[in-house]
Order: sequence, then structure tokens, then C-alpha cells
Amino acid sequence: GENVEQHPSTLSVQEGDSAVIKCTYSDSASNYFPWYKQELGKGPQLIIDIRSNVGEKKDQRIAVTLNKTAKHFSLHITETQPEDSAVYFCAANIRNFGNEKLTFGTGTRLTIIP
Amino acid sequence: ETGVTQTPRHLVMGMTNKKSLKCEQHLGHNAMYWYKQSAKKPLELMFVYSLEERVENNSVPSRFSPECPNSSHLFLHLHTLQPEDSALYLCASSLVKLRDRYTEAFFGQGTRLTVV
Repeated sequence: GENVEQHPSTLSVQEGDSAVIKCTYSDSASNYFPWYKQELGKGPQLIIDIRSNVGEKKDQRIAVTLNKTAKHFSLHITETQPEDSAVYFCAANIRNFGNEKLTFGTGTRLTIIP
Repeated sequence: ETGVTQTPRHLVMGMTNKKSLKCEQHLGHNAMYWYKQSAKKPLELMFVYSLEERVENNSVPSRFSPECPNSSHLFLHLHTLQPEDSALYLCASSLVKLRDRYTEAFFGQGTRLTVV
């Protein structure tokens, strides 16, 4: 069926280095791609989103790139800090059997090593 | 604090019990959602109430029953659950616009449910 795949499932990065998380999606009509961060004991929180009319969006140390042709998008975190440690989820609006819904990837557990 | 409040935070219930989860938002949003989060499926959409319409995930068992009495309140009624229903249940809300249907979803902290 239509879905969103996310890689890697776990990622360890030295503090100060960059982290990249990648997602692919199957529905060519998808046009909204958010990224959520979930810290321990909390619900997911939006950190950045991108719509299909742009290829890249940046907010301080966080950036998202979108390749509509290849149907993949990536989260880039630069100059990582310990507080970046969390689980990150990508999502895309996916149409499946006539119903459209925001479908999430399986998550990436990011650990920043001090 | 996201503006979405869920109660209770933790719930332990037997398989024959009936309980309800509650969610409340006063952000002026017009859509509310129930998600199930487990190790098997990290964020699985269960129900959506959007623009006063209810959209269901057909794979959700009938032992889960949602109720949305108004745009600020959402309930999930639980009855005769199974141990595999143990999970974190997350509520979310968003502002759905006709032009940009998808916008930021604000999540509550969740209810950790254990079925014994």
C-alpha cells in the first residue's frame, strides 16, 4: 500500500557533527512533508515542514530538502547538541483507497554523543 | 505545553473494564485526532474528526469508540480491550484550511494504557 519509509532507525552522532535522516514516499500527489521530534515522556512536536512548491527550507540548525521526482525528503541537523537527542518522525499526506491522511514513518532514534 | 491536554496520563485496566480517555484543546482548531503509538507501529492514525466529519481507519477494532461532542473535546471509549491494545494513545489537533488541508498538528502528552 501507500506508505512512508524512514531510515535509519537509529543514529548516533558525535556532538557538533551533522545528522541526516531520510524518508521516501510512494504517493506522487503528496504535497505536505512535516518532521516531528518526540522527547521522552512527551508527544511529538513539529520542528519543520515543507510543501511541494519548494525544494528546501531552513530554520537555524535544521533544514529539510525535498526531491519530488525521486519522491524522497531529508532532515538535516547541523552542529548537533545533546538536546537534539530524541526520536524523529517524518510524514507525508498519502492517498490510500480514496482516503487521504497524514502517514508517519517508523521513526529514527537520534543519540548525540557528548 | 502544547495546548492539548490528555487525561489520564496513565491507565491500567482489566479486559472486562470500560474506561474513557479524554482530550481537550482550546487552540481554536477544527480537527482532532487519535493516534496509537506502540513499538510495532510508531504512529498509527485511529480516528479523525475534521470539519465536523469523522474519518475512520477501517483496521481499528470496534472495541475502540471515539466521541467528539464539540470542536474542543475528544473522547476515546474503551471496552473489552485485549493485552495487545496496551500502548501510548496520543491525541492531536490542527487547523484544517480549505486551501492548505494539512498544517501543524499539536500533540498531547498521551495516555499510557496497560491492559491486564
